[in-house]
Amino acid sequence: GAVVSQHPSRVICKSGTSVKIECRSLDFQATTMFWYRQFPKKSLMLMATSNEGSKATYEQGVEKDKFLINHASLTLSTLTVTSAHPEDSSFYICSAGTVSYNEQFFGPGTRLTVL
Amino acid sequence: GENVEQHPSTLSVQEGDSAVIKCTYSDSASNYFPWYKQELGKRPQLIIDIRSNVGEKKDQRIAVTLNKTAKHFSLHITETQPEDSAVYFCAALRGGGATNKLIFGTGTLLAVQP
Repeated sequence: GAVVSQHPSRVICKSGTSVKIECRSLDFQATTMFWYRQFPKKSLMLMATSNEGSKATYEQGVEKDKFLINHASLTLSTLTVTSAHPEDSSFYICSAGTVSYNEQFFGPGTRLTVL
Repeated sequence: GENVEQHPSTLSVQEGDSAVIKCTYSDSASNYFPWYKQELGKRPQLIIDIRSNVGEKKDQRIAVTLNKTAKHFSLHITETQPEDSAVYFCAALRGGGATNKLIFGTGTLLAVQP
């Protein structure tokens, strides 16, 4: 299957700082990338969908100014958590897919801890 | 929008027994139904998927069945092994176009007792 990387795998930051997470499709061109958030022992919650070269589509209840998503190329999408607070601590996972194929390929996730 | 329900939330079986996890979905236009296995702190791994034009699919010890009329699909694991222990998620997707959103079920924690 296709390979998706995510960086960093783990980050600890102070409250009020911003954190950027990168998601890369390593061996295919991803027309669409998805960002999920997962709380301990909970399911994956879709935050937003981003298509290369256009603005991300956010799910209801997700603040677009809080979670900035950029999908500048077919292999890279970034999620920036701005002015992070302890309640933003979570496991963030990206996935990548293409328009013509339903399967999504997941990155390894980023564990964010905001102190 | 799509809503996916998954049952049970936890499942404990003896090694060698079968495990069945069930999901229901609400959007009749959903046409792709993957199942993922997630170990603690790791990414979800696709284990099997089924499309709406198929009623059943099998891959060694894993099988998935789909009932489009009733809008439910199930994962069957036979001859379970301790390494099958993980959280399993079902998902539904309404494919087509640039937005193929996967909606996940709530997950099932499967414990296989040796």
